[in-house]
Amino acid sequence: QVQLVESGGGLVKPGGSLRLSCAASGFTFSDYYMSWIRQAPGKGLEWLSYISSSGGTIYYADSVKGRFTISRDNAKNSLYLQMNSLRAEDTAVYYCARVGSGTWRYYFDYWGQGTLVTVSS
Amino acid sequence: QSALTQPASVSGSPGQSITISCTGTSSDVGSYNLVSWYQQHPGKAPKLMIYEVSKRPSGVSNRFSGSKSGNTASLTISGLQAEDEADYYCCSYAGSSTFVLFGGGTKLTVL
Repeated sequence: QVQLVESGGGLVKPGGSLRLSCAASGFTFSDYYMSWIRQAPGKGLEWLSYISSSGGTIYYADSVKGRFTISRDNAKNSLYLQMNSLRAEDTAVYYCARVGSGTWRYYFDYWGQGTLVTVSS
Repeated sequence: QSALTQPASVSGSPGQSITISCTGTSSDVGSYNLVSWYQQHPGKAPKLMIYEVSKRPSGVSNRFSGSKSGNTASLTISGLQAEDEADYYCCSYAGSSTFVLFGGGTKLTVL
């Protein structure tokens, strides 16, 4: 079955960096687009970034553009999010999500359990 | 761009039907049949319930249905059950610059 397991979250000071990882299994990772989505405590979902199956097409939300970098290693079945210049408002649970297949790849059909990032001094 | 607009809360009794609205603009919901809906129980990851306005993934109950009219999409849950109590989020493609927008979420209470 499809499994997505995030790791790398934790406590970091404002201005610091963190790298999140998402290990995928149960499907052919290299066939699927992937995304990162976050949820601040008690708040709604916020889409952050999207990467095509080859890594050649990438999109970012304005809130993280220039600070966060999405990447993937298809040989390792892994997705990454490098987060730099972290701010208090980046505190959230970060989810890795598989993008649905088909002509229109704009929905998320499987989600990981999330990893908590806390930005605080 | 702003998030899509959902009611903060809705409620219904077991067996009843409820509808959750998701209002966007002509730049997102109104322009594309690319609305999806997610169910999230407390402390859990979101689960896809509806995609491309009205398509149901395998394994999702047919009590869940989706529709769209103009700039507003809707999720209807019929035959409400206790386990339907959760937060629900809509999501829409919003063009190549904004890409994807989520709604603020709706808390469904089963009375």
